[in-house]
Amino acid sequence: NAGVTQTPKFQVLKTGQSMTLQCAQDMNHNSMYWYRQDPGMGLRLIYYSASEGTTDKGEVPNGYNVSRLNKREFSLRLESAAPSQTSVYFCASSAREGTDTQYFGPGTRLTVL
Amino acid sequence: QKEVEQNSGPLSVPEGAIASLNCTYSDRGSQSFFWYRQYSGKSPELIMSIYSNGDKEDGRFTAQLNKASQYVSLLIRDSQPSDSATYLCAVQTGNRDDKIIFGKGTRLHILP
Repeated sequence: NAGVTQTPKFQVLKTGQSMTLQCAQDMNHNSMYWYRQDPGMGLRLIYYSASEGTTDKGEVPNGYNVSRLNKREFSLRLESAAPSQTSVYFCASSAREGTDTQYFGPGTRLTVL
Repeated sequence: QKEVEQNSGPLSVPEGAIASLNCTYSDRGSQSFFWYRQYSGKSPELIMSIYSNGDKEDGRFTAQLNKASQYVSLLIRDSQPSDSATYLCAVQTGNRDDKIIFGKGTRLHILP
């Protein structure tokens, strides 16, 4: 039982490049989330998916897109990376939205030069 | 703008003492409250959840909730060096969409 997995663990991009962060969970959870964590800013919600087939914006969605590929997988795409997107990205999942414990993946450390 | 406020610390506590971490929130309709622990370079992990006013104990940890004062706290008894971490308070908003908002975290340092 791996829980929540994320790939890659580290990534360096140049400004303007694109990439997709992958997330998968094996806990049969309905809800999945993407956060970014910056020093002094805490965890900020980028996008979330309350259930398979639905996605919605969080606090800081600009510059990102998401796909809930199936119940297990939720990907985050940066179409044209900017230095302001340098951050640690966490994927999380919960059985239901809001009231349930969120389980976090190990994170992706992204640097945009 | 719904907010969750925490003192950023660092909070330094001697080993064996009680560490007290505090959190206030702005949305009076909030129903669910969580404390996560995050070690440096690692992902957050849940320590406690609390949904009703009062205290909830789990081993050395006690969560306290006062909805009237919009205040939630975490007490760690018999603090150990392994408790040194950042503690994140998370609150489910009272909105229809039920999102969880995280505080910025309090850094706790247990002094051996």
